[in-house]
Parts: sequence; C-alpha cells; structure tokens
Amino acid sequence: GQQVMQIPQYQHVQEGEDFTTYCNSSTTLSNIQWYKQRPGGHPVFLIQLVKSGEVKKQKRLTFQFGEAKKNSSLHITATQTTDVGTYFCAGHRDSGYSTLTFGKGTMLLVSP
Amino acid sequence: DAGVTQSPTHLIKTRGQQVTLRCSPKSGHDTVSWYQQALGQGPQFIFQYYEEEERQRGNFPDRFSGHQFPNYSSELNVNALLLGDSALYLCASSLGGAANYGYTFGSGTRLTVV
Repeated sequence: GQQVMQIPQYQHVQEGEDFTTYCNSSTTLSNIQWYKQRPGGHPVFLIQLVKSGEVKKQKRLTFQFGEAKKNSSLHITATQTTDVGTYFCAGHRDSGYSTLTFGKGTMLLVSP
Repeated sequence: DAGVTQSPTHLIKTRGQQVTLRCSPKSGHDTVSWYQQALGQGPQFIFQYYEEEERQRGNFPDRFSGHQFPNYSSELNVNALLLGDSALYLCASSLGGAANYGYTFGSGTRLTVV
C-alpha cells in the first residue's frame, strides 16, 4: 500500500534558526497536503500543493512539491516559539476518491 | 473553534466492551473521515463516509464500523475493545468526497482501554 515517510522525526532548534522537514511517498501523488498539530491539539490544515514543481509561501513557511510528485518539503525561516508542534505531510494517490495518507510527522521544538 | 465537533472528549473503557464515538462535520461539509492516532504517530486512516456510504476503508479489522446520517454527522463504533485500541480518534470533514480539499479535523476523542 501507499506509504508516506518523513524525516527527521524530531528537531530541536534555537529561535531564529531555520527548519526543514522532508516528505517522501512510495507512489506518485495527485496532491500533497501539510498539517500542523500543536502539543495536545489536533491537525490543522496548512496548505495543498497539486502541480509538479509547485512552490507556495505562507509568510515564513515555504512549501515545495517535487517534479516527480513523490516528494515534498516544508521550510520555516527564522523559527519562532509559536512554530512548536508536529508537522505532517499527507498525500492523495488519486485525484478522485482516495485515502489521505499521513506521514509520521516531524516534531519541532524551538527554544527561546 | 475547529468547526468539527466530536464527543465525548475522553473515554475510559474496559477490554471487551464496545464504544461509540460521534462527529458533527463542519457546516457545509458532506464527507467524514475517521483516523486513529497513537501517541507519537501520524493519523492512520480508518474509513471515509460520503452520501451515507462507506467509500474508502483502511487496514482496520471489522470490529471497527461506522455510519453516516442524512445530516452528514457520523459515528464510529468499535466492538470487543483491545488494549491496543487506546488512542486519539480524530474525525475530519471535507467537501465532496474527492481529493481536492484540505480536511478540517475535530479535537478528537481520547480513548483509553484498561
């Protein structure tokens, strides 16, 4: 079945440092979504990427979808303590009705 | 406010018992997906309901069943509970059943099986 892998599992940075998490799928995806889950909270939708090579930005967050539509990355510039949480990528294999498969997530801890 | 309402928030059950979890989707959404999230893991897909039918199912045993009502709300039922069923159960709603939109998650039900 479809598998989505994320690295690293955990990263601890000092406030102001940059952070990147990488996501790889065992199959080609129709789209990739990113979610953030704060400690004790629930996943919150951040963004969806659909096109091969697509790059989207949300303030200090930059999201990329690979050319082969099998990998993606999330980069945070100049982290802040409010960025603390676990970042999940999730992908649909088909553009129709298909399962949204989540990776195991990357937990980000930011020290002031 | 997540827009998706789940109840109860916490639940403690004994092995072998049965449990029903409830979910009301975000206003305007018609599709409900259920996920199980173990501690430190990503959400694992259980099943998805659209137009009152189970449209997709993940790798979960038949002890896990569900239902969607005409008002789009949904229930997740788990029979013969095992210790390993202890997890956060998340309901996510979306629109149209197709893979075009982000999911809105509820705050979840924390199930503990003892």
